[in-house]
Amino acid sequence: QSALTQPASVSGSPGQSITISCTGTSSDVGGYNYVSWFQQHPGKAPKLMIYQVTNRPSGVSNRFSGSKSGNTASLTISGLQAEDEADYYCSSYTISSTVVFGGGTKLTVL
Amino acid sequence: QVQLVQSGSELKKPGASVKVSCKASGYTVAPYSMNWVRQAPGQGLEWMGWINTNTGNPAYAQGFTGRFVFSLDTSVSTAYLQISSLKAEDTAVYYCVRDVNIVNFDYWGQGTLVTVSS
Repeated sequence: QSALTQPASVSGSPGQSITISCTGTSSDVGGYNYVSWFQQHPGKAPKLMIYQVTNRPSGVSNRFSGSKSGNTASLTISGLQAEDEADYYCSSYTISSTVVFGGGTKLTVL
Repeated sequence: QVQLVQSGSELKKPGASVKVSCKASGYTVAPYSMNWVRQAPGQGLEWMGWINTNTGNPAYAQGFTGRFVFSLDTSVSTAYLQISSLKAEDTAVYYCVRDVNIVNFDYWGQGTLVTVSS
């Protein structure tokens, strides 16, 4: 199972919105509504930000939202803040009953 | 509150074995599956597989068969990852992760750094 495709880096200024894409296939992202997004700060464990494509766990800011179209899922962060600077990973359930992660995207807040 | 507390960093020689523990607290281990995720230095996340906490049956991702073993001791709410015949490329941080419903990885352990070096 190949890793999902994410851009290596994205950037934005405070207050702006950014979107991170996550492209898979019909055997993973496109075939199931089991896409999650994780935020990871340096030296820390990942944190769940979005599950089942669009759902936010309790305690996660509503500035974070998820969506999916075909084989591509997206994470949008609105009203960028300095503390949003981190690595972001998508993941998906697959047709093989496994889980696959994206390669990760480094978000820089300018 | 829910916590997953992992054992401390390990330094091992090539060919040795290591056993990482992950103690769960704040919830009943079953029925939530326990997953393991690897992160090599400077690299991304890699799903290793999971263990069914109801049956104790493990399932391994491609690339993690043979030398990797997941186990569980429900009496002490602890999951284990054992890696045998360690290689330099096994150097990584290993995370245990609770899954409440298909990639709903809601709680992560703090990670255990395993370093393999002669």
